[in-house]
Amino acid sequence: QVQLQESGPGLVKPSQTLSLTCSVSGDSLKSGLYYWSWIRQPAGKGLEWIGRIYNSGSTNYNPSLKSRVTISVDTSKNQFSLNLNSVTAADTAVYYCARQYTYGSNWFDPWGQGTLVTVSS
Amino acid sequence: DIQMTQSPSSLSASVGDRVTITCRASQSISSYLNWYQQKPGKAPKLLIHSASTLQSGVPSRFSGSGSGTDFTLTVASLQLEDLATYYCQQSYSAALTFGGGTKVEI
Repeated sequence: QVQLQESGPGLVKPSQTLSLTCSVSGDSLKSGLYYWSWIRQPAGKGLEWIGRIYNSGSTNYNPSLKSRVTISVDTSKNQFSLNLNSVTAADTAVYYCARQYTYGSNWFDPWGQGTLVTVSS
Repeated sequence: DIQMTQSPSSLSASVGDRVTITCRASQSISSYLNWYQQKPGKAPKLLIHSASTLQSGVPSRFSGSGSGTDFTLTVASLQLEDLATYYCQQSYSAALTFGGGTKVEI
């Protein structure tokens, strides 16, 4: 059974870089069947896709965040990571990682449990 | 970006009711539409992909339909455990987007 687990600091200061890692078990990031994505959700609000990475290292980003986002993959550790720089309070959210199918309607399944990141001084 | 608009934003229903949630895309997305259920404090869970394909393990009271710009998620007979917020998501465009969500109260 595939499981994803987010990890990283729960508190980040404004203007600094938010860094999170998603550890994957039960599947290999080397698989060509999936993208590996990050999605976030501010408290009480909806879901916002941040970006995704393929096993080759190719990425796609949400245009609204593209200038601040980097997603990378470490296949040796079976992890992928998110860096979001120049954060503000508006980046406070629960951050999820998810596996995304590369075929059909490219659905997200499964998701990690999510990790809350607060941007505050 | 393709905008996804869900209606209603919230609804209240009783156990056993038939519930329908609508998702409208700002342009045609063929059948590149997925539905998720998010219970309070939990991660979203895939219910339906490709507009109408029920994910394995999801109760058959859930169904999806539509193509192009208009889609629906139907719960044939609402159960207490269906208390959740439901989101649609399009993957027609590489800039993936979600609907604003529909909160179902019982």
